[in-house]
Amino acid sequence: AQSVTQLDSQVPVFEEAPVELRCNYSSSVSVYLFWYVQYPNQGLQLLLKYLSGSTLVKGINGFEAEFNKSQTSFHLRKPSVHISDTAEYFCAVKETSGSRLTFGEGTQLTVNP
Amino acid sequence: GAGVSQSPSNKVTEKGKDVELRCDPISGHTALYWYRQSLGQGLEFLIYFQGNSAPDKSGLPSDRFSAERTGGSVSTLTIQRTQQEDSAVYLCASSPQGGISGNTIYFGEGSWLTVV
Repeated sequence: AQSVTQLDSQVPVFEEAPVELRCNYSSSVSVYLFWYVQYPNQGLQLLLKYLSGSTLVKGINGFEAEFNKSQTSFHLRKPSVHISDTAEYFCAVKETSGSRLTFGEGTQLTVNP
Repeated sequence: GAGVSQSPSNKVTEKGKDVELRCDPISGHTALYWYRQSLGQGLEFLIYFQGNSAPDKSGLPSDRFSAERTGGSVSTLTIQRTQQEDSAVYLCASSPQGGISGNTIYFGEGSWLTVV
């Protein structure tokens, strides 16, 4: 069975600062990896996903993530955040042969002026 | 374009009553998921439908929970004899193909259930 650990439940940062949201996963088989964002009172929106190929994945809104197989990590980064990036961010994993998406517990990113 | 549609968006019910939550997936999507998001927690898998295959019900927390999908499209999640711990956001999602693929899973905005 797969599992996901998001190492920080809350990350406060100042506007225009860089940010990294950490995600580690556990699985005995190959996986696909995803980051979703949830704005207040809204559903989840896909930010980016890693399926195969280049380990650096670029997503929407200037976010990117790097897949590190040896460290079983998929950290999300943005070089300069905006107030509008304030939201809950979820890392998720799906086995390539499976159907279930398993989520981490989320990281609340708060961008302060 | 039409995304995943859920209704009701908000539901307040009395403890012990039954509730039904509806999900209309994106047209053409064969895979449909239900997740539960409790306050301050991550997303908990409940059930998965793929085409005409038997659903994966392994995430349903108790026999008070059930779900069906009619005609391979609309799905209804039913919670019988609701308890206060059932209060959560119930999220529906759909995907073009749920099996061995990396297809994006698209989420609806959720049904907020409050049991009083």
